[in-house]
Amino acid sequence: ILNVEQSPQSLHVQEGDSTNFTCSFPSSNFYALHWYRWETAKSPEALFVMTLNGDEKKKGRISATLNTKEGYSYLYIKGSQPEDSATYLCASHGSSNTGKLIFGQGTTLQVKP
Amino acid sequence: NAGVTQTPKFRVLKTGQSMTLLCAQDMNHEYMYWYRQDPGMGLRLIHYSVGEGTTAKGEVPDGYNVSRLKKQNFLLGLESAAPSQTSVYFCASSSTGGFRQPQHFGDGTRLSIL
Repeated sequence: ILNVEQSPQSLHVQEGDSTNFTCSFPSSNFYALHWYRWETAKSPEALFVMTLNGDEKKKGRISATLNTKEGYSYLYIKGSQPEDSATYLCASHGSSNTGKLIFGQGTTLQVKP
Repeated sequence: NAGVTQTPKFRVLKTGQSMTLLCAQDMNHEYMYWYRQDPGMGLRLIHYSVGEGTTAKGEVPDGYNVSRLKKQNFLLGLESAAPSQTSVYFCASSSTGGFRQPQHFGDGTRLSIL
């Protein structure tokens, strides 16, 4: 079983601040790294799937980078807005065949207006 | 535009009772998954299926059974519910099991075992 660690566990920022979170995963037998956004009372929603070392993905004000050699991924939010408040999950693939994901515990972001 | 639908949304059971959670997806996805989510822990995989008629154990399978008789449905059963199974259960599906495909989640079922 892979161990996927996320930090910080929670984060409070002011509207307009930029912020970032970390996801750490074992670098051996790496296949893919997923990021999901999970709003309260809703279901997790996929943000990015990253597979290559050095990958960078962007969706609006949210972007992510991947370092498979050292086993970490960063998620960045530029100019945080209250609607960005959510829990951000990362998950690593332990197998290329079955799509099994090992999830981290998540980083909960609160953006204050 | 349903995606992944879970029923019921809430349920309270007594210890020893049985029940089945239903997950239905309308995206023609091959792969389906059942997770549980507990406070302070990440989503943990209970069972999964790579196609109609197939099932496999995940990380925490004990106390649960599953069936995938139809491609669009994935059922999670609790034969004899225990308080330790109090949790929020999420179903997900993906178009293939390949690592490039994101998983699509249902809204969850909140289950309490008294």
